[in-house]
Amino acid sequence: GNSVTQMEGPVTLSEEAFLTINCTYTATGYPSLFWYVQYPGEGLQLLLKATKADDKGSNKGFEATYRKETTSFHLEKGSVQVSDSAVYFCALSDRASGFGNEKLTFGTGTRLTIIP
Amino acid sequence: DADVTQTPRNRITKTGKRIMLECSQTKGHDRMYWYRQDPGLGLQLIYYSFDVKDINKGEISDGYSVSRQAQAKFSLSLESAIPNQTALYFCATSDPQGTGISNEQFFGPGTRLTVL
Repeated sequence: GNSVTQMEGPVTLSEEAFLTINCTYTATGYPSLFWYVQYPGEGLQLLLKATKADDKGSNKGFEATYRKETTSFHLEKGSVQVSDSAVYFCALSDRASGFGNEKLTFGTGTRLTIIP
Repeated sequence: DADVTQTPRNRITKTGKRIMLECSQTKGHDRMYWYRQDPGLGLQLIYYSFDVKDINKGEISDGYSVSRQAQAKFSLSLESAIPNQTALYFCATSDPQGTGISNEQFFGPGTRLTVL
């Protein structure tokens, strides 16, 4: 079956530090990969996505590259801000089950805290 | 106004009680989902519906039921609540494109349920 493994948290960084949150996946087909972010007291919202190998998703200074050879989709940001404090979820959606079967499989989430 | 709303936002109930969580959306999406979030476990899919006449069990449907009253409304019921159903519950919607490429899901703000 499909699974997503994320770097365990919590992660605490100083403002302007470099961020990496690791994500690896197992899938039976050709997944699309996502990073969702959950700010305190809110639901999840899509941060970025990539739908095929070597694609790079980017948004708000965050980037992640779909690496099929290492089955990874690591999230990076060059200089984090206090406002980036949130829980980050890696997820995949596998089209191998057929068109329309677009359920998401989530990782366990990584809590990020940025201190001024 | 929020595109995906959930009511109630917080609920405390007792073991054995029946409880309903409601989700409404104004996005016009056909697909709706119910997830539960537990610390350290990420999000797990309870039920999903690809249109008004289509209801499907997710990973953890035991102890839950759903009703899709209209395109815009998808309710989750706990027929006889138990303490291990204490969790954060999220509703989500999606609108797939015709290409079969997975699309993002849009989440509500969540309902925090406590079963005593």
